[in-house]
Amino acid sequence: DQQVKQNSPSLSVQEGRISILNCDYTNSMFDYFLWYKKYPAEGPTFLISISSIKDKNEDGRFTVFLNKSAKHLSLHIVPSQPGDSAVYFCAASSGSSNTGKLIFGQGTTLQVKP
Amino acid sequence: NAGVMQNPRHLVRRRGQEARLRCSPMKGHSHVYWYRQLPEEGLKFMVYLQKENIIDESGMPKERFSAEFPKEGPSILRIQQVVRGDSAAYFCASSLGDRGFDEQYFGPGTRLTVT
Repeated sequence: DQQVKQNSPSLSVQEGRISILNCDYTNSMFDYFLWYKKYPAEGPTFLISISSIKDKNEDGRFTVFLNKSAKHLSLHIVPSQPGDSAVYFCAASSGSSNTGKLIFGQGTTLQVKP
Repeated sequence: NAGVMQNPRHLVRRRGQEARLRCSPMKGHSHVYWYRQLPEEGLKFMVYLQKENIIDESGMPKERFSAEFPKEGPSILRIQQVVRGDSAAYFCASSLGDRGFDEQYFGPGTRLTVT
């Protein structure tokens, strides 16, 4: 039962262009969503998050959009840089529970070409 | 302020042996999460602990796996009688609070290989 899905295993973009990573979820109890970035042989690092009361959150080159009715979120990176090449994980949690456990998608490998 | 520390970084065990993975949370954090990443998959939640208490172990396999977070010392994830299917990267994360919006800081992971 994959409650958080990232249907694109990989994405390749040119430096300077926009990268759009997508994520779908099925559980309506999720009310907090996060994106993590992961380099090989390292742990995930937090990138950006969004609460379900918002539909957009922006932090520098990174913007996350949330469409609750479609149960879909996306991460936009503009402009993309070679250093952004990594695996990106979407994650979700339920703030109403007494555990902050995160449910992760399978990840999307982003390659930014110089 | 040191981040989350995990050791060992790499662990090789033969089938049937025991594996012990250690996690020291960030200073001041009393909430610890363990996740497992199988090859070509995302991270899967295993267990959530506070000091001396297991709060949520809904992701832990029913047999051979156990976790603890004692009053003093690191959190330990223990796998008894390892099998090849246990080969994975095991990540620990810590946070200040127990809500979904409390940022979880991840360690570098322990890569377990069962031969």
